[in-house]
Parts: sequence; structure tokens; C-alpha cells
Amino acid sequence: AQSVTQPDIHITVSEGASLELRCNYSYGATPYLFWYVQSPGQGLQLLLKYFSGDTLVQGIKGFEAEFKRSQSSFNLRKPSVHWSDAAEYFCAVGGNGYGNTGKLIFGQGTTLQVKP
Amino acid sequence: DTGVSQDPRHKITKRGQNVTFRCDPISEHNRLYWYRQTLGQGPEFLTYFQNEAQLEKSRLLSDRFSAERPKGSFSTLEIQRTEQGDSAMYLCASSPIQGAGVAFFGQGTRLTVV
Repeated sequence: AQSVTQPDIHITVSEGASLELRCNYSYGATPYLFWYVQSPGQGLQLLLKYFSGDTLVQGIKGFEAEFKRSQSSFNLRKPSVHWSDAAEYFCAVGGNGYGNTGKLIFGQGTTLQVKP
Repeated sequence: DTGVSQDPRHKITKRGQNVTFRCDPISEHNRLYWYRQTLGQGPEFLTYFQNEAQLEKSRLLSDRFSAERPKGSFSTLEIQRTEQGDSAMYLCASSPIQGAGVAFFGQGTRLTVV
């Protein structure tokens, strides 16, 4: 079955510290991979995406993610966290290739808290 | 381009009442999706349209739920005879066919059934 697992439900980091949010997926083939961020009461904003090619992808707000096929992972990183990064982060997978519907399967989400 | 807009942003209704939500996608986007998000969970796919055709429905979409996208523009999601379990955030997203799954989300409609 297709699924996305975000093992960490809640993470707290100090402002200025580095961040890594984990994401593992189960999918029949290499899917398209996404990270979205959601602030309280808001919709989802795309941070970055991986379709193919270079396995290290850069996104907005200084985020990056690395696709590791052997580990079925797509972890999100940021070298220095800002207080405004406090939000909920969702990893998602979608179909790749012909007939792709664009439907996304989301993980449970990781809530990031930033300490001053 | 004002993004995906959803109306209303919040809806409180009594159990057993019908509710309807509206989604206006980004104008040039062919595909439109509805997701449901409950507290502490990620969004779950409900249904999607390509132009005016509804091409897929999740098993989460019970008979009390119906979605339309007349003329391939805006979409409505109706819930009949609401139940407390329907309380959730309903998210709409749109994408171009060429977007390969790059969906742009609206701010959602928060439904509370009392």
C-alpha cells in the first residue's frame, strides 16, 4: 500500500539551530515527492519538490531536501531555523509518469516549535 | 492570479443539516482536488476533477458527500445530513495537467458540526 510516514510528530529546536525532519514513503515506483508547510488556520504552501535528477533539491525559505532511493526517504533540512519557521510540515508523495492524476498522499505531519 | 480561494472559511452547523462549500481554483488550472484534514492528521484525498469530469472518488467520500465542477471552473462540495464526524478542515487544491502534481492549496473551510 502507498503510504508516507513522518516518524516525529513534534520537534522543538532552538532558534539558529539546524533542523532535519524525517520522511519515509512506501510506493510502487519512484514517486514525485513534496514537502508542504502549514501555518495555523492556513492552507498548505509548497516548500519544495523532487521529480527526477539531482537528489538534493532546494526550496523556498532556505529549506532543502535529499531523496535517498535506497532508504525510501526524503528528509527536509534547514541549516539555521528562524522563529517564523514554527509550523506544521507535511511530506507527500504523488504518482510519477503517464496517467499521473496529481493525487497526493500525505504523512501525518510534524509540528515544529522554535525556542527563542 | 489570486490563488485558490475557498468560501466560507468557517462553518458551524447543527447535526443533520446540509452544508455546501465553494472552491475557486487558479483560473488556468484544469485539475481540482478536494481533501479533508482532521486535527493532528495530514490531508486525505476525497476527489478530483479534470475540467468538468469527476475522475476519481475516495472511499472516504460517502453517499452523503457530492462534488461538482460545472463548466470546469469553480467547484462545490456538499455534505448532506452532517454528522459530528464530518467536523474537519476541507481543503481545495488545483493544478495544471502539466504540473505533474504541483498542487496549490486554498486556505480551507473549517467545518464544525455541533
